[in-house]
Amino acid sequence: SQQGEEDPQALSIQEGENATMNCSYKTSINNLQWYRQNSGRGLVHLILIRSNEREKHSGRLRVTLDTSKKSSSLLITASRAADTASYFCATDARGSGGGADGLTFGKGTHLIIQP
Amino acid sequence: DTGVSQDPRHKITKRGQNVTFRCDPISEHNRLYWYRQTLGQGPEFLTYFQNEAQLEKSRLLSDRFSAERPKGSFSTLEIQRTEQGDSAMYLCASSPWTQGHGYTFGSGTRLTVV
Repeated sequence: SQQGEEDPQALSIQEGENATMNCSYKTSINNLQWYRQNSGRGLVHLILIRSNEREKHSGRLRVTLDTSKKSSSLLITASRAADTASYFCATDARGSGGGADGLTFGKGTHLIIQP
Repeated sequence: DTGVSQDPRHKITKRGQNVTFRCDPISEHNRLYWYRQTLGQGPEFLTYFQNEAQLEKSRLLSDRFSAERPKGSFSTLEIQRTEQGDSAMYLCASSPWTQGHGYTFGSGTRLTVV
């Protein structure tokens, strides 16, 4: 079963604009992670935010986490054509009483950056 | 170490045949995971190993599926009597056993059952 729900399912923006994707989940978590997947390829880990953190930055990425609302957002600033990919949030419930011992992924947001 | 390797990249098989996929994780990683992904969906958890012990199996893993990690290094995933519904991308990932680390995924094996 998939715990995370990304919103929107698809997003198309112009190069240089910022892209924001949201993720909601259902159970208690230890941490939440974001991954990118280019078409037909494996997933690449982007960033991890722990349950006691509210915001984290990595380069052009900014992630927020609101555990009271069970939601997270991923912001990609100054988007580039190479950012075109699917983006997935994944929850790690290990040790939090939230369930599965492996990551649980959402269905993803397909991001298209128009050059 | 060049990351997680999966073999083969693509597999086309006839319904009813058996197939086996291989995954070579990052050598320092104790944990190894198998996921299945269908078009337009996120990866779905199948099973994972800590060293050679298989610690959890999803309900998705029917009796036709078996996974092994005999020496705590590489792993194999076998599907017996394949069905068309088994067509998917099979992804392998590895991670250290401690919490707070992301997974490193392989490029996947795309299975097509005809």
